[in-house]
Amino acid sequence: ILNVEQSPQSLHVQEGDSTNFTCSFPSSNFYALHWYRWETAKSPEALFVMTLNGDEKKKGRISATLNTKEGYSYLYIKGSQPEDSATYLCAFYMIYNQGGKLIFGQGTELSVKP
Amino acid sequence: EAGVTQFPSHSVIEKGQTVTLRCDPISGHDNLYWYRRVMGKEIKFLLHFVKESKQDESGMPNNRFLAERTGGTYSTLKVQPAELEDSGVYFCASSQRAGLRNNEQFFGPGTRLTVL
Repeated sequence: ILNVEQSPQSLHVQEGDSTNFTCSFPSSNFYALHWYRWETAKSPEALFVMTLNGDEKKKGRISATLNTKEGYSYLYIKGSQPEDSATYLCAFYMIYNQGGKLIFGQGTELSVKP
Repeated sequence: EAGVTQFPSHSVIEKGQTVTLRCDPISGHDNLYWYRRVMGKEIKFLLHFVKESKQDESGMPNNRFLAERTGGTYSTLKVQPAELEDSGVYFCASSQRAGLRNNEQFFGPGTRLTVL
């Protein structure tokens, strides 16, 4: 059974703090890792699709790194703002014949207090 | 360009009733996926359509769930009869291609189903 783990489950920080979360996934048969940002009642928003070992991607104050050999990815938020409050989801992309599906972790719920 | 849309946004039904959820993917996307998140757990894959064909339905919980995509455009997911454990958020996603490393799936806002 393929397992994707995220930690911590929830995080409460003050505005201006920098923070990071972890996503662990199987290191074998790796194709891609997706990060999404999700606010309740809205569509999960794609942040990054990471495919190569050592990948580092950045979008504004948010960045992510990938280590496929040891099976983990970090998501960093620099100088958190209240609008960053959301659930951050990682998903391991599993490819099969003519298809692929996302295997999600439980998510890290971030709350940023002003 | 319109994103993935889902209807209804919220549905409250009683145990034993039938509910049909609808998903309209991004125009031109052949691949359509259904996922769901039950309370406190991770989002789980239900099934994958390529056009009107079911490519993978390994995540469908049981035969009370029926998904269709006639004509390869919008899709419906019917739950009949609904049980309490079916409560959760049902997401639909679509993508242009599948099976590629950098394939991105675009999600709808979900339908929140509550079974009383």
